[in-house]
Amino acid sequence: ETGVTQSPTHLIKTRGQQVTLRCSSQSGHNTVSWYQQALGQGPQFIFQYYREEENGRGNFPPRFSGLQFPNYSSELNVNALELDDSALYLCASSLETNTEAFFGQGTRLTVV
Amino acid sequence: AQTVTQSQPEMSVQEAETVTLSCTYDTSESDYYLFWYKQPPSRQMILVIRQEAYKQQNATENRFSVNFQKAAKSFSLKISDSQLGDAAMYFCAYRGRFQGAQKLVFGQGTRLTINP
Repeated sequence: ETGVTQSPTHLIKTRGQQVTLRCSSQSGHNTVSWYQQALGQGPQFIFQYYREEENGRGNFPPRFSGLQFPNYSSELNVNALELDDSALYLCASSLETNTEAFFGQGTRLTVV
Repeated sequence: AQTVTQSQPEMSVQEAETVTLSCTYDTSESDYYLFWYKQPPSRQMILVIRQEAYKQQNATENRFSVNFQKAAKSFSLKISDSQLGDAAMYFCAYRGRFQGAQKLVFGQGTRLTINP
């Protein structure tokens, strides 16, 4: 059974650019949640996808968007990057929307 | 909105001794889950222990146990016989139980150092 995998592990982007982060959910899991973890802080919920539909969103602007594919893998897209978007982005998958979340190792995004 | 507060940014303990990490939370919901996660330098969040609010008995997982005080909205983690591998960031987290309660709400974290 494979766990949650995220790619890339590290990324450097310039302010104003766009970025796509990827997440492969654990086998059998139909739900993916994304979190942003700024340095020295706890993770903040961005949104959740369940069976290819957005199923809840945190307090993030519309330039944060996502997708979930038929195989339940997911993408997080961020447009018009700002310096404050520099953070660790964590993906978590779960069997259903309110069951135990299993986390990936995250993508470290640096915006310069 | 639910909030989770960890008032200890850093804690340290001697190897083989016991340490307690504190967490308080605020919610108007009557039923929910509480969690402690460990985040080592590898960055992956690992679930340490889970407590269901409707259960009065405190959860225990080997050397890890919690003290859940529902009325006081307190949820502390006790680590017994501390080991070098326990060194990490520890996050307390909350999640509602009912349909639509998707997100985990995390505290700010406590960095635990184990002294050999």
